[in-house]
Amino acid sequence: DQQVKQNSPSLSVQEGRISILNCDYTNSMFDYFLWYKKYPAEGPTFLISISSIKDKNEDGRFTVFLNKSAKHLSLHIVPSQPGDSAVYFCAASAYGAGNMLTFGGGTRLMVKP
Amino acid sequence: DTAVSQTPKYLVTQMGNDKSIKCEQNLGHDTMYWYKQDSKKFLKIMFSYNNKELIINETVPNRFSPKSPDKAHLNLHINSLELGDSAVYFCASSAGLAGAFNEQFFGPGTRLTVL
Repeated sequence: DQQVKQNSPSLSVQEGRISILNCDYTNSMFDYFLWYKKYPAEGPTFLISISSIKDKNEDGRFTVFLNKSAKHLSLHIVPSQPGDSAVYFCAASAYGAGNMLTFGGGTRLMVKP
Repeated sequence: DTAVSQTPKYLVTQMGNDKSIKCEQNLGHDTMYWYKQDSKKFLKIMFSYNNKELIINETVPNRFSPKSPDKAHLNLHINSLELGDSAVYFCASSAGLAGAFNEQFFGPGTRLTVL
């Protein structure tokens, strides 16, 4: 029973364009959401997060949007760069759950020069 | 200067053996975690450990046990290894108490192969 889903296993984008990665969740107890980036043979690296009291958080080229009513969040990367090519994981946490993260299955982003 | 390190990076062993994976963090964090990434690439939480409080994901078999000699270390012991234990295991750490929203820093992973 996947509580966090990333329905697109892969995404290909041209350099300079916008990349949009999507994530859906089912557990209404989740109130903190994170995006992690992962290169092969490395551990996930934190990218950006958002609390459920907000609907948008921006950090440089990365913006995360949260739609609580739809239980949906998305990560926008603009402009996309070849170095952004990696697997992106969406994760969620519920307060009081030991800060344990529930991850989505990941989306492989390929940014073509 | 690695923040979260794991040893070994690769571990190949026979079914039925007992093995350990070590994790160390030099970030001064209070909470450490173990995750398992299976063959389908799903990352799943196994344990959260904070100040001697252990929170276990109920799906984790009791053959798996975390051991923390001090705040900077959380080792994973696995008894009677099975084929299905083959996966990449990631250690992570975060500041603050369990239950708070804190970014987790991950180690590079240990690829365990059970033959």
